[in-house]
Amino acid sequence: RKEVEQDPGPFNVPEGATVAFNCTYSNSASQSFFWYRQDCRKEPKLLMSVYSSGNEDGRFTAQLNRASQYISLLIRDSKLSDSATYLCAPDTGRRALTFGSGTRLQVQP
Amino acid sequence: GAGVSQSPSNKVTEKGKDVELRCDPISGHTALYWYRQSLGQGLEFLIYFQGNSAPDKSGLPSDRFSAERTGGSVSTLTIQRTQQEDSAVYLCASSLDGSNQPQHFGDGTRLSIL
Repeated sequence: RKEVEQDPGPFNVPEGATVAFNCTYSNSASQSFFWYRQDCRKEPKLLMSVYSSGNEDGRFTAQLNRASQYISLLIRDSKLSDSATYLCAPDTGRRALTFGSGTRLQVQP
Repeated sequence: GAGVSQSPSNKVTEKGKDVELRCDPISGHTALYWYRQSLGQGLEFLIYFQGNSAPDKSGLPSDRFSAERTGGSVSTLTIQRTQQEDSAVYLCASSLDGSNQPQHFGDGTRLSIL
């Protein structure tokens, strides 16, 4: 099993829709989780940090399920500008984060 | 405040040449990371520096790759005798102290080997 797994997508959703994608991780000792968004040909930008059961920031909600070892990202009222690749990075106990390969989201008008 | 700064933004060089990439982390961040990303692929960890500790070089793909961090701040990643498969975007990130802290990325250096 990979350390971090994400559905590559793409997830194609209409504007205004709610969309969620999961990230599974193999290290049960992971304590911190990060979601990044990456636009095409740009660097990853931190979207959200999760240190407990979840976090919410406006239209974005991250929820952690420790029992099943996955973290989800929910985006409500999708905007065209949300189109990007979303990278998950759980703390795997090493000194550097391990990033998932990302889930591509395409919001359509 | 200033973010992570990388230079050059783009580098085109001939196969076999050496290249040096530079990263200036966020002021006060003790942890510094190098990654590379090939087109359409995920982030590949290369090397990690934390304070005065020995760097974690476990991600370096070959002995042609090396990195150093002088004075606990600026880092350079050197690729010797470049090969075409080295073409990628090289991303540098820094974090406050490396332990459970989010990483902040620079814009990257797009390296093309002809």
